[in-house]
Amino acid sequence: NAGVTQTPKFRILKIGQSMTLQCAQDMNHNYMYWYRQDPGMGLKLIYYSVGAGITDKGEVPNGYNVSRSTTEDFPLRLELAAPSQTSVYFCASSYYGEYEQYFGPGTRLTVT
Amino acid sequence: EDKVVQSPLSLVVHEGDTVTLNCSYEVTNFRSLLWYKQEKKAPTFLFMLTSSGIEKKSGRLSSILDKKELFSILNITATQTGDSAIYLCAVAGAKGAQKLVFGQGTRLTINP
Repeated sequence: NAGVTQTPKFRILKIGQSMTLQCAQDMNHNYMYWYRQDPGMGLKLIYYSVGAGITDKGEVPNGYNVSRSTTEDFPLRLELAAPSQTSVYFCASSYYGEYEQYFGPGTRLTVT
Repeated sequence: EDKVVQSPLSLVVHEGDTVTLNCSYEVTNFRSLLWYKQEKKAPTFLFMLTSSGIEKKSGRLSSILDKKELFSILNITATQTGDSAIYLCAVAGAKGAQKLVFGQGTRLTINP
């Protein structure tokens, strides 16, 4: 099993550009999450999904969008990149009924 | 609003020392407290605690939860340079979707 995979590993965007961060898991997990981690900070929840077709906002959703058309994939879309979105983005997943979340390797995004 | 606070934020010790990391929380309808270790990339799971006073142990690492005083500690004995990492505490409340609220993390540096 590959676990949770994320692409790309690194990306530099100009202000106003758009991009999609990809996340996939092969563990048949129902729940998937997107977090951002700023330097010296913990993880902040951006969006989450409890199953295909169901998504909801987390703590810091502004400037982002998600979709979940399959159990495996949970892409995160940045429409108009801003410097405040410079961060490391982690995708995670978990089984229904279990709190332990499995994390992907992260995407380091810089917006200049 | 659910809140998790870790202390200290940063700690530097010598190899062989014992360290204690703290995590206090305020969360509606507490369910579980989890500890993660984050080296260069993704957080990896260490422990989950749901019952008060029970110690979870894995080699030189151990953790205990006090649900009355709303805190947990993570102990590492006979530290090694490989223990250098950010240690994250996260709490699950009753807000659904098994969401976790993370603390800021403690950056632990072990010097040889």
